[in-house]
Amino acid sequence: DAGVIQSPRHEVTEMGQEVTLRCKLISGHNSLFWYRQTMMRGLELLIYFNNNVPIDDSGMPEDRFSAKMPNASFSTLKIQPSEPRDSAVYFCASSVVQGGTGELFFGEGSRLTVL
Amino acid sequence: GESVGLHLPTLSVQEGDNSIINCAYSNSASDYFIWYKQESGKGPQFIIDIRSNMDKRQGQRVTVLLNKTVKHLSLQIAATQPGDSAVYFCAENRGGNKLVFGAGTILRVKS
Repeated sequence: DAGVIQSPRHEVTEMGQEVTLRCKLISGHNSLFWYRQTMMRGLELLIYFNNNVPIDDSGMPEDRFSAKMPNASFSTLKIQPSEPRDSAVYFCASSVVQGGTGELFFGEGSRLTVL
Repeated sequence: GESVGLHLPTLSVQEGDNSIINCAYSNSASDYFIWYKQESGKGPQFIIDIRSNMDKRQGQRVTVLLNKTVKHLSLQIAATQPGDSAVYFCAENRGGNKLVFGAGTILRVKS
């Protein structure tokens, strides 16, 4: 199994530009999580989906952030317009909600730098 | 509230010694806890979990202890190896696999 796949691994952009981060879930998983990691705030849950439905988006910083699951195996996290304070590593993770151990499988992360 | 801090504690141990990493959680209703290991440049990796109806659980070279009275969790690593060097996070499962992570502890293994 290839695991959770995230792209791009690194992105450098200028303030005001749109950023799209992508995530492919592990086959058979039905729950998807987006986390953000910074030195100041650690790992923060932004949003999570069960069976393609957003369950909790209370961690999404503001309206500039949006996340979608166009199908059961793929998700995008979009930031528009981006700001320097959005610089962080963004992780996607997937799991099986029912009958699972609760273990989240994380991708390698997308490191975003907004200048 | 959530235990997110600005400063990561560091634990330095000699190779071959045992390591104990501690974590305090805040939500007394949390019933499931997980330890994750994060190596530099990688995503967090599952190590071991424990449910609130247990006090102790053992894995390969790792043991997790749960003290619900004082809301404390610990991870013990036996015979620590250089490959164990990483940041270790405890996480509370708040339902539906929603994990809230602690700030993390840096483990440095000296050869």
